[in-house]
Amino acid sequence: QSVLTQPPSVSAAPGQKVTISCSGSNSNVGNSYVSWYQQLPGTAPRLLIYDNNKRPSGIPDRFTGSKSGTSATLGITGLQTGDEADYYCEAWDSSLSAVVFGGGTKVTVL
Amino acid sequence: EVQLVESGGGLVQPGGSLRLSCAASGFTLSYYWMHWVRQAPGKGLVWISHIDSDGSITTSADPVKGRFTISRDNAKNTLYLHMDSLRAEDTAVYYCVRDPSARGGSWAYFQDWGQGTLVTVSS
Repeated sequence: QSVLTQPPSVSAAPGQKVTISCSGSNSNVGNSYVSWYQQLPGTAPRLLIYDNNKRPSGIPDRFTGSKSGTSATLGITGLQTGDEADYYCEAWDSSLSAVVFGGGTKVTVL
Repeated sequence: EVQLVESGGGLVQPGGSLRLSCAASGFTLSYYWMHWVRQAPGKGLVWISHIDSDGSITTSADPVKGRFTISRDNAKNTLYLHMDSLRAEDTAVYYCVRDPSARGGSWAYFQDWGQGTLVTVSS
């Protein structure tokens, strides 16, 4: 049972948009920056979004992040087959004094 | 180019010990907070521990507290994770991760990851 709640899976056709939610509480998402990571099969995770909505160099603007209250959202537009992966949100939890991850969301391109 | 290369994983019996190493290159290790994150087979990411730039601040997750110790040798550009009293549930790929936030905590994010090293705890 993860501290941050994500949907297990989302899917859409190529070119379409998907959004992935990350629900937490005031002890984590509500009072922490949120980051998002993409993990392609068999590889290490890759940073997509940090500080709620910033993209590292090299990450296309098809990936966007937002946060409102105790929830955060990752959006992927112009979906491509190469986007099929697991996606994780992450934040600091001040009650646990620990970094916490969501359980992960599998994105499928139909 | 930033590189993080983990080593030291392998098969260990329950109750045994193991020390993981992470060799850092392409950046000055002493400037950065560092973390260990693990992933059990077929499961999600789980944060294990962090250490500040000079090693004076360390924090570990409850499941490993008292059993795992994070440390660093900035002169050798190496991060370590010493694991004692290993259990079957510690079986996972262990990733070494660089945090460029310079502050850790709620500012932390994981910019660079190693390829991971597999630890298997089994008799």
